[in-house]
Amino acid sequence: KAGVTQTPRYLIKTRGQQVTLSCSPISGHRSVSWYQQTPGQGLQFLFEYFSETQRNKGNFPGRFSGRQFSNSRSEMNVSTLELGDSALYLCASSLEQIAYEQYFGPGTRLTVT
Amino acid sequence: GESVGLHLPTLSVQEGDNSIINCAYSNSASDYFIWYKQESGKGPQFIIDIRSNMDKRQGQRVTVLLNKTVKHLSLQIAATQPGDSAVYFCAEKETGGFKTIFGAGTRLFVKA
Repeated sequence: KAGVTQTPRYLIKTRGQQVTLSCSPISGHRSVSWYQQTPGQGLQFLFEYFSETQRNKGNFPGRFSGRQFSNSRSEMNVSTLELGDSALYLCASSLEQIAYEQYFGPGTRLTVT
Repeated sequence: GESVGLHLPTLSVQEGDNSIINCAYSNSASDYFIWYKQESGKGPQFIIDIRSNMDKRQGQRVTVLLNKTVKHLSLQIAATQPGDSAVYFCAEKETGGFKTIFGAGTRLFVKA
């Protein structure tokens, strides 16, 4: 069974631009969570989706948004990029409705210049 | 506020020795704890988990211990191998299970 895939793997953007990252969960998984990983802040929870509904959101500004499609694929969008948004963005999927055991993708490395 | 932290940022062990990675948590309401391993260039990989109604759980070469009295979690790796070199994160699940809070991470170095 294929793992969690994320596209693109690397991305370079300029301040003020917006970006959309994509995540395809493991087949059959309906819960998708997004995390931001930086050296200074570590792994921080962004949001979690289940059956196209956002169930929880972390402490990030409204510039960070996401959605989930009917096939469980998910996208996250960051508008008006700032230098501090440079990070590894990780997606994780889970089979259960209560997203206990999560499987992570390799991440998208976003660099904002 | 709620936090999950690690006592040591780095740990260096000799190949074949046992490794112990510690973690402190502060949220008494958390009922599920997980250890992840992250190798360079990869996403975190699930190692082992434990629920709050347990004190100990064993996997292949790994054991997780949970001490709810002092809100402490530890990961023991037996006969540490070079392939165990990575960053290890502890994490806790809030009641309801929708959000995972990660600790800062400990980098494990295994010396051959």
